[in-house]
Amino acid sequence: QQPVQSPQAVILREGEDAVINCSSSKALYSVHWYRQKHGEAPVFLMILLKGGEQKGHEKISASFNEKKQQSSLYLTASQLSYSGTYFCGTEVSGGGADGLTFGKGTHLIIQP
Amino acid sequence: DAGVIQSPRHEVTEMGQEVTLRCKPISGHNSLFWYRQTMMRGLELLIYFNNNVPIDDSGMPEDRFSAKMPNASFSTLKIQPSEPRDSAVYFCASSSTGRVTDTQYFGPGTRLTVL
Repeated sequence: QQPVQSPQAVILREGEDAVINCSSSKALYSVHWYRQKHGEAPVFLMILLKGGEQKGHEKISASFNEKKQQSSLYLTASQLSYSGTYFCGTEVSGGGADGLTFGKGTHLIIQP
Repeated sequence: DAGVIQSPRHEVTEMGQEVTLRCKPISGHNSLFWYRQTMMRGLELLIYFNNNVPIDDSGMPEDRFSAKMPNASFSTLKIQPSEPRDSAVYFCASSSTGRVTDTQYFGPGTRLTVL
């Protein structure tokens, strides 16, 4: 079942912060975050594994709450280059037998 | 490294025609994934291979779709006969091992338009 992302879209001024959420009705083994710019392929950001870990990459970080079957992506002091569509992909089994199921995406627009 | 290579980048065809999409994964990667992206349904996994063997094809929409991976460096996704509702961007991705928790590297995609 497809994870639900919220919000569907957000418009920010450069320097503002954003949070993107990803929720699943199923128990998750891992959550993957990707960013896609218009007309381009999705680009990997980070993977979070079962265990509630939090990861960061420059000013982009994420958390994974396995009890709530939820992950959040945090973008701090957003830059123009952060604009794009953010997808979460979820893995249920952890055994490698399933592919990723992606949410419908969150459109992020950063204005100068 | 050249990354994942897909061809063609754009394909326009008429309903009923056969369409073949091609993918060359990153050298040394053992897993290959085919995705379809549309505005309505988002990014959907169609099928994935591990060591050239199809592992999960539950996402293949119907019998008109078939995928093969004859060797570690080449895969095809075929639609026969094609229909207008097949219009989408088709992505191929590869990862270094068979575990889904590994990073997947996406190709540039093939934009398919079926008239």
